[in-house]
Amino acid sequence: DAGVIQSPRHEVTEMGQEVTLRCKPISGHDYLFWYRQTMMRGLELLIYFNNNVPIDDSGMPEDRFSAKMPNASFSTLKIQPSEPRDSAVYFCASSPGQGVDGANVLTFGAGSRLTVL
Amino acid sequence: SQQGEEDPQALSIQEGENATMNCSYKTSINNLQWYRQNSGRGLVHLILIRSNEREKHSGRLRVTLDTSKKSSSLLITASRAADTASYFCATLLYTGTASKLTFGTGTRLQVTL
Repeated sequence: DAGVIQSPRHEVTEMGQEVTLRCKPISGHDYLFWYRQTMMRGLELLIYFNNNVPIDDSGMPEDRFSAKMPNASFSTLKIQPSEPRDSAVYFCASSPGQGVDGANVLTFGAGSRLTVL
Repeated sequence: SQQGEEDPQALSIQEGENATMNCSYKTSINNLQWYRQNSGRGLVHLILIRSNEREKHSGRLRVTLDTSKKSSSLLITASRAADTASYFCATLLYTGTASKLTFGTGTRLQVTL
Protein backbone atom coordinates (compact mmCIF):
# COMPACT_ATOMS: atom_id res chain seq x y z
CA ASP A 1 0.00 0.00 0.00
CA ALA A 2 1.29 3.47 -0.86
CA GLY A 3 0.02 4.92 2.40
CA VAL A 4 -2.09 8.04 2.73
CA ILE A 5 -1.56 10.25 -0.29
CA GLN A 6 -2.04 14.00 -0.17
CA SER A 7 -1.87 16.63 -2.86
CA PRO A 8 -0.60 19.18 -3.44
CA ARG A 9 2.49 18.99 -1.23
CA HIS A 10 2.93 22.74 -1.42
CA GLU A 11 0.45 25.46 -2.32
CA VAL A 12 1.08 29.18 -2.44
CA THR A 13 -1.92 31.35 -3.13
CA GLU A 14 -3.16 34.86 -2.65
CA MET A 15 -5.68 35.96 -0.10
CA GLY A 16 -9.21 35.48 -1.32
CA GLN A 17 -8.47 32.56 -3.59
CA GLU A 18 -10.06 29.15 -3.24
CA VAL A 19 -7.83 26.32 -2.06
CA THR A 20 -8.60 22.62 -2.43
CA LEU A 21 -6.52 19.98 -0.68
CA ARG A 22 -6.92 16.34 -1.58
CA CYS A 23 -6.46 13.07 0.23
CA LYS A 24 -6.53 9.39 -0.65
CA PRO A 25 -6.71 7.21 2.48
CA ILE A 26 -5.39 3.70 2.87
CA SER A 27 -7.68 1.19 1.25
CA GLY A 28 -9.89 -0.50 3.84
CA HIS A 29 -9.55 2.23 6.42
CA ASP A 30 -13.02 3.35 7.46
CA TYR A 31 -11.95 6.56 9.20
CA LEU A 32 -10.44 9.67 7.67
CA PHE A 33 -9.19 12.69 9.59
CA TRP A 34 -8.10 16.18 8.63
CA TYR A 35 -5.63 17.94 10.96
CA ARG A 36 -3.99 21.34 10.79
CA GLN A 37 -0.54 22.03 12.24
CA THR A 38 0.86 25.45 13.09
CA MET A 39 3.63 26.59 15.40
CA MET A 40 1.20 28.57 17.51
CA ARG A 41 -1.61 26.05 17.90
CA GLY A 42 0.09 22.73 17.34
CA LEU A 43 -1.85 19.88 15.77
CA GLU A 44 -5.63 20.47 15.65
CA LEU A 45 -8.32 18.06 14.53
CA LEU A 46 -10.55 19.78 12.00
CA ILE A 47 -13.00 17.04 11.00
CA TYR A 48 -13.26 13.29 10.70
CA PHE A 49 -15.33 10.89 8.63
CA ASN A 50 -16.57 7.36 9.22
CA ASN A 51 -17.54 5.43 6.09
CA ASN A 52 -17.61 8.71 4.14
CA VAL A 53 -19.97 10.39 6.63
CA PRO A 54 -18.77 13.42 8.63
CA ILE A 55 -18.89 12.55 12.32
CA ASP A 56 -17.33 15.50 14.11
CA ASP A 57 -16.65 18.83 12.42
CA SER A 58 -16.43 20.86 15.61
CA GLY A 59 -12.81 21.71 14.85
CA MET A 60 -13.54 23.39 11.54
CA PRO A 61 -12.56 27.02 12.17
CA GLU A 62 -15.36 28.74 10.32
CA ASP A 63 -17.69 28.57 7.36
CA ARG A 64 -14.85 29.26 4.97
CA PHE A 65 -13.73 25.67 5.56
CA SER A 66 -15.57 22.70 4.13
CA ALA A 67 -14.70 19.03 3.74
CA LYS A 68 -16.23 16.27 1.66
CA MET A 69 -15.73 12.58 1.20
CA PRO A 70 -17.65 11.51 -1.91
CA ASN A 71 -16.32 7.94 -1.75
CA ALA A 72 -14.10 5.69 0.33
CA SER A 73 -10.95 6.57 -1.56
CA PHE A 74 -11.09 10.35 -1.79
CA SER A 75 -11.59 13.39 0.39
CA THR A 76 -11.18 17.12 -0.09
CA LEU A 77 -10.69 20.03 2.26
CA LYS A 78 -11.67 23.35 0.73
CA ILE A 79 -10.98 26.87 1.97
CA GLN A 80 -12.93 29.66 0.28
CA PRO A 81 -11.93 32.43 0.51
CA SER A 82 -8.47 31.81 1.90
CA GLU A 83 -6.81 34.19 4.37
CA PRO A 84 -3.18 34.56 5.51
CA ARG A 85 -4.04 33.07 8.91
CA ASP A 86 -4.96 29.82 7.15
CA SER A 87 -1.27 29.29 6.38
CA ALA A 88 -0.36 25.94 7.93
CA VAL A 89 0.43 22.34 7.15
CA TYR A 90 -2.72 20.32 6.62
CA PHE A 91 -2.52 16.61 7.29
CA CYS A 92 -4.86 13.86 6.28
CA ALA A 93 -4.80 10.62 8.27
CA SER A 94 -6.75 7.38 8.19
CA SER A 95 -7.38 4.49 10.56
CA PRO A 96 -9.07 1.11 10.25
CA GLY A 97 -11.52 1.62 13.10
CA GLN A 98 -12.22 3.05 16.51
CA GLY A 99 -12.39 1.68 19.98
CA VAL A 100 -9.77 1.34 22.63
CA ASP A 101 -7.58 -1.15 20.79
CA GLY A 102 -5.06 -0.41 18.09
CA ALA A 103 -7.72 0.09 15.46
CA ASN A 104 -7.60 3.80 16.15
CA VAL A 105 -3.90 4.18 15.35
CA LEU A 106 -3.55 6.83 12.67
CA THR A 107 -1.51 6.68 9.49
CA PHE A 108 -0.66 10.18 8.32
CA GLY A 109 -0.01 11.53 4.88
CA ALA A 110 3.01 13.71 4.18
CA GLY A 111 0.94 16.89 4.50
CA SER A 112 0.07 19.85 2.33
CA ARG A 113 1.92 23.04 3.20
CA LEU A 114 -0.33 26.02 2.47
CA THR A 115 0.93 29.57 2.29
CA VAL A 116 -1.62 32.33 1.80
CA LEU A 117 -0.08 35.68 0.87
CA SER B 1 -7.61 22.67 22.18
CA GLN B 2 -4.73 20.45 23.16
CA GLN B 3 -5.15 17.76 25.72
CA GLY B 4 -1.51 16.97 26.33
CA GLU B 5 1.35 19.13 27.44
CA GLU B 6 4.78 17.79 26.81
CA ASP B 7 7.92 18.42 28.74
CA PRO B 8 10.53 19.43 27.86
CA GLN B 9 9.66 21.42 24.75
CA ALA B 10 13.15 20.74 23.42
CA LEU B 11 15.85 18.25 24.35
CA SER B 12 19.40 17.96 23.08
CA ILE B 13 21.50 14.90 23.85
CA GLN B 14 24.49 13.04 22.48
CA GLU B 15 24.29 9.81 20.60
CA GLY B 16 24.20 6.83 22.94
CA GLU B 17 22.47 8.70 25.76
CA ASN B 18 18.90 8.06 26.85
CA ALA B 19 16.12 10.54 26.11
CA THR B 20 13.07 10.93 28.33
CA MET B 21 9.99 12.90 27.34
CA ASN B 22 6.96 13.48 29.52
CA CYS B 23 3.31 14.06 28.69
CA SER B 24 0.59 15.32 31.00
CA TYR B 25 -3.09 15.35 30.15
CA LYS B 26 -6.30 16.59 31.71
CA THR B 27 -9.20 14.20 31.24
CA SER B 28 -9.90 10.49 31.40
CA ILE B 29 -8.49 8.47 28.55
CA ASN B 30 -8.86 5.03 26.98
CA ASN B 31 -5.39 4.87 25.55
CA LEU B 32 -2.35 7.03 24.97
CA GLN B 33 -0.22 6.93 21.86
CA TRP B 34 3.18 8.31 20.94
CA TYR B 35 4.03 9.55 17.46
CA ARG B 36 7.23 10.79 15.85
CA GLN B 37 7.46 13.53 13.24
CA ASN B 38 10.57 14.07 11.19
CA SER B 39 11.05 17.54 9.77
CA GLY B 40 8.74 18.17 6.83
CA ARG B 41 6.99 14.83 7.18
CA GLY B 42 3.78 13.43 8.59
CA LEU B 43 3.50 11.80 11.98
CA VAL B 44 4.38 8.16 12.41
CA HIS B 45 2.88 5.98 15.14
CA LEU B 46 5.39 4.53 17.59
CA ILE B 47 3.57 2.82 20.43
CA LEU B 48 0.17 2.61 22.15
CA ILE B 49 -0.51 2.00 25.83
CA ARG B 50 -3.98 1.25 27.16
CA SER B 51 -5.37 2.93 30.26
CA ASN B 52 -5.15 -0.34 32.23
CA GLU B 53 -1.48 -0.80 31.38
CA ARG B 54 1.40 0.75 33.30
CA GLU B 55 4.39 0.03 31.09
CA LYS B 56 5.09 -1.09 27.58
CA HIS B 57 8.23 -1.78 25.56
CA SER B 58 8.97 -1.77 21.87
CA GLY B 59 12.59 -2.12 20.82
CA ARG B 60 14.47 0.85 22.28
CA LEU B 61 11.23 2.51 23.38
CA ARG B 62 9.75 2.27 26.84
CA VAL B 63 6.46 3.95 27.70
CA THR B 64 4.94 4.34 31.13
CA LEU B 65 1.47 5.51 32.06
CA ASP B 66 0.25 6.77 35.42
CA THR B 67 -3.48 7.42 35.18
CA SER B 68 -3.66 8.69 38.77
CA LYS B 69 -1.25 11.48 37.86
CA LYS B 70 -2.56 11.77 34.30
CA SER B 71 0.94 11.49 32.91
CA SER B 72 3.03 9.36 30.59
CA SER B 73 6.69 9.18 29.72
CA LEU B 74 8.56 7.99 26.66
CA LEU B 75 12.10 6.73 27.09
CA ILE B 76 14.35 6.20 24.10
CA THR B 77 17.44 4.23 25.09
CA ALA B 78 20.82 4.38 23.36
CA SER B 79 19.71 7.22 21.12
CA ARG B 80 20.92 7.60 17.56
CA ALA B 81 21.20 10.60 15.26
CA ALA B 82 18.26 9.15 13.31
CA ASP B 83 16.07 9.62 16.40
CA THR B 84 16.22 13.38 15.85
CA ALA B 85 12.58 14.40 15.42
CA SER B 86 9.59 15.82 17.26
CA TYR B 87 7.69 13.44 19.51
CA PHE B 88 3.99 13.83 20.30
CA CYS B 89 1.74 12.13 22.76
CA ALA B 90 -1.90 11.69 21.82
CA THR B 91 -4.74 10.75 24.11
CA LEU B 92 -7.80 8.85 23.03
CA LEU B 93 -11.20 9.16 24.64
CA TYR B 94 -13.78 6.72 23.32
CA THR B 95 -17.43 7.31 24.18
CA GLY B 96 -18.78 4.16 22.58
CA THR B 97 -20.10 5.96 19.55
CA ALA B 98 -17.26 8.30 18.74
CA SER B 99 -13.65 8.77 19.67
CA LYS B 100 -11.29 11.69 19.63
CA LEU B 101 -7.50 11.52 19.45
CA THR B 102 -6.00 14.75 20.78
CA PHE B 103 -2.34 15.58 20.35
CA GLY B 104 0.03 17.27 22.74
CA THR B 105 2.40 20.11 22.01
CA GLY B 106 5.39 17.93 21.21
CA THR B 107 9.02 17.61 22.28
CA ARG B 108 11.77 18.41 19.78
CA LEU B 109 14.62 15.95 20.24
CA GLN B 110 18.06 16.65 18.81
CA VAL B 111 20.62 13.84 18.93
CA THR B 112 24.13 14.91 18.10
CA LEU B 113 27.10 12.76 17.16
